Amino acid sequence: QVQLQQWGAGLLKPSETLSLTCAVYGESFSGYYWSWIRQPPGKGLEWIGEINHSGSTNYNPSLKSRVTISLDTSKNQFSLKLGSVTAADTAVYYCARTFFEQRIRMVRGVIEPYYYSYTDVWGDGTTVTVSS
Amino acid sequence: QSVLTQPPSVSAAPGQKVTISCSGSSSNIGTNYVSWYQQLPGTAPQLLIYENDKRPSGSPDRFSGSKSGTSATLGITGLQTGDEADYYCGTWDSSLSAGVFGGGTKLTVL
Repeated sequence: QVQLQQWGAGLLKPSETLSLTCAVYGESFSGYYWSWIRQPPGKGLEWIGEINHSGSTNYNPSLKSRVTISLDTSKNQFSLKLGSVTAADTAVYYCARTFFEQRIRMVRGVIEPYYYSYTDVWGDGTTVTVSS
Repeated sequence: QSVLTQPPSVSAAPGQKVTISCSGSSSNIGTNYVSWYQQLPGTAPQLLIYENDKRPSGSPDRFSGSKSGTSATLGITGLQTGDEADYYCGTWDSSLSAGVFGGGTKLTVL
């Protein structure tokens, strides 16, 4: 049974860098993507980005300039860094395991890629508040 | 503003059926698989439906999913008070090259 345990600083000042880490227990990195998703107070889910076992990443275009997701295979951990935070980055941050795969099909004689993606294991969440 | 559009709230009586819609476009729902998540108050989301209509182990068969064109629907039958939660649809957007979620729907069981 895979479990995710996450931690990091919960209170930041504007312009600082948010740093969170997620430890993976009971599973190796192979075969999955490892994601970060956040939820501002009283609002919906926002996808931040993901990384796979080989270090390939996908990022939310709206956050891409400030986000870095990395992994440490020796510790079975992956991390999130978000630079230049503002109050708008105040949220609960979740680490998660995502199954993500590109597939190919023929549509009217044309090769079309499509994506198979779902998130099946979530951490408990870390509340991060940005305030001066 | 979310890429996927869900109604903010739905409600129904215990034992009844409810549906939650999720509307997108050709670059997301129209092309890729949809998943649904349940978020009980104060907890992390949980996977309810994946690959449009498949239930992971542990997800009750009262929950069902479907997709048609650029829209997806979550159905819940035999409503229970314990189903009161926020529900989110999610998928991959091929134009954005990013994961996207709906804004969430709050289910109230009257």
